[in-house]
Amino acid sequence: DQQVKQNSPSLSVQEGRISILNCDYTNSMFDYFLWYKKYPAEGPTFLISISSIKDKNEDGRFTVFLNKSAKHLSLHIVPSQPGDSAVYFCAASPPVGGADGLTFGKGTHLIIQP
Amino acid sequence: DSGVTQTPKHLITATGQRVTLRCSPRSGDLSVYWYQQSLDQGLQFLIQYYNGEERAKGNILERFSAQQFPDLHSELNLSSLELGDSALYFCASSAGGDEQFFGPGTRLTVL
Repeated sequence: DQQVKQNSPSLSVQEGRISILNCDYTNSMFDYFLWYKKYPAEGPTFLISISSIKDKNEDGRFTVFLNKSAKHLSLHIVPSQPGDSAVYFCAASPPVGGADGLTFGKGTHLIIQP
Repeated sequence: DSGVTQTPKHLITATGQRVTLRCSPRSGDLSVYWYQQSLDQGLQFLIQYYNGEERAKGNILERFSAQQFPDLHSELNLSSLELGDSALYFCASSAGGDEQFFGPGTRLTVL
């Protein structure tokens, strides 16, 4: 039973355009959401996060949007750069009192085309 | 560089054996988390320690155990290894907030 789903295993975007990565979750008790970026042979790197009390958080080229009613979040990268090519994981923080590990989606492989 | 270190980087062993993976958290972080990433799965939370005490358990098998030492480094012990235990094992640490910072991982291959 996957509580965090990333339905696109891969996404190809032209350099300079906007990349939009999507994530859906089923547990309405999740209260914090994070995006991680992973290069091959490295550990995941924290990118950006959002609390469930917000609907948008922006950090430079990265913006995360949260739609609680739809249980959906998205990561926008604009403009996309070649170095953005990586696997992106969406993760959710459990409810208070639950296990404190993050629940991850299976990732989306973003490929930025020159 | 996240500041989290893991050793060894690669480990090859046989079925039935026991191995120990080591993790040193970022300076000052009291929480350590262990995750497993198999080929067909995303990152799966195994266990969390906070300042030497077990704090939370996820999908950790009974053959696996962990501990956190007074200097805050942590070890994940995997015993009676099976082929299906082949995976990447990541350690992460945090200072108490929701953001976790991951090490480079240990790739375990069970033959």
